[in-house]
Amino acid sequence: SQQGEEDPQALSIQEGENATMNCSYKTSINNLQWYRQNSGRGLVHLILIRSNEREKHSGRLRVTLDTSKKSSSLLITASRAADTASYFCATVQAAGNKLTFGGGTRVLVKP
Amino acid sequence: DVKVTQSSRYLVKRTGEKVFLECVQDMDHENMFWYRQDPGLGLRLIYFSYDVKMKEKGDIPEGYSVSREKKERFSLILESASTNQTSMYLCASSSPDRHETQYFGPGTRLLVL
Repeated sequence: SQQGEEDPQALSIQEGENATMNCSYKTSINNLQWYRQNSGRGLVHLILIRSNEREKHSGRLRVTLDTSKKSSSLLITASRAADTASYFCATVQAAGNKLTFGGGTRVLVKP
Repeated sequence: DVKVTQSSRYLVKRTGEKVFLECVQDMDHENMFWYRQDPGLGLRLIYFSYDVKMKEKGDIPEGYSVSREKKERFSLILESASTNQTSMYLCASSSPDRHETQYFGPGTRLLVL
């Protein structure tokens, strides 16, 4: 079964709006990563947050991590049409060494 | 700039054929991975390798094998392709710290008829 589960599965917003997606996981983690995938392409790493961190920023991206709730959120501020993509969270378990991906959130940003 | 390349973007094969998917990275990474991606199932790890001539099974290795003869190249082999192996195949590599960022290739979309 998947370690990470994203919510919602799909999201449609207007350009300029913020997009928020969530990821929940089941077991203790070493770190959690977010990736973006444009249609039919490979994944691109966006941001990594470690289990001892609570918040991290990268440009228009803000990631939070709540280890007590085993959840993370990715916020994209001031969205652009180019942000249209699928977004995946991936976890590295505390006792493991592999990335385990969730099913992804499809984001559509309408011009 | 980091680069992972895959030998084909699209492949069409027939049931029973032997299929080779090649992946090359130019970052001198020790770790390489093969995933398949299916709608609603996310990415699932097939095999990975932490060094030349070394391989470990991932979550769904059945029906697949791999080869790592050189550090930069990791091949995925479908010994006898079946229709349920129709999928998007993604290769990735990462630095020696296994917990860190993975760099992905563009993917190979395989159709088995």
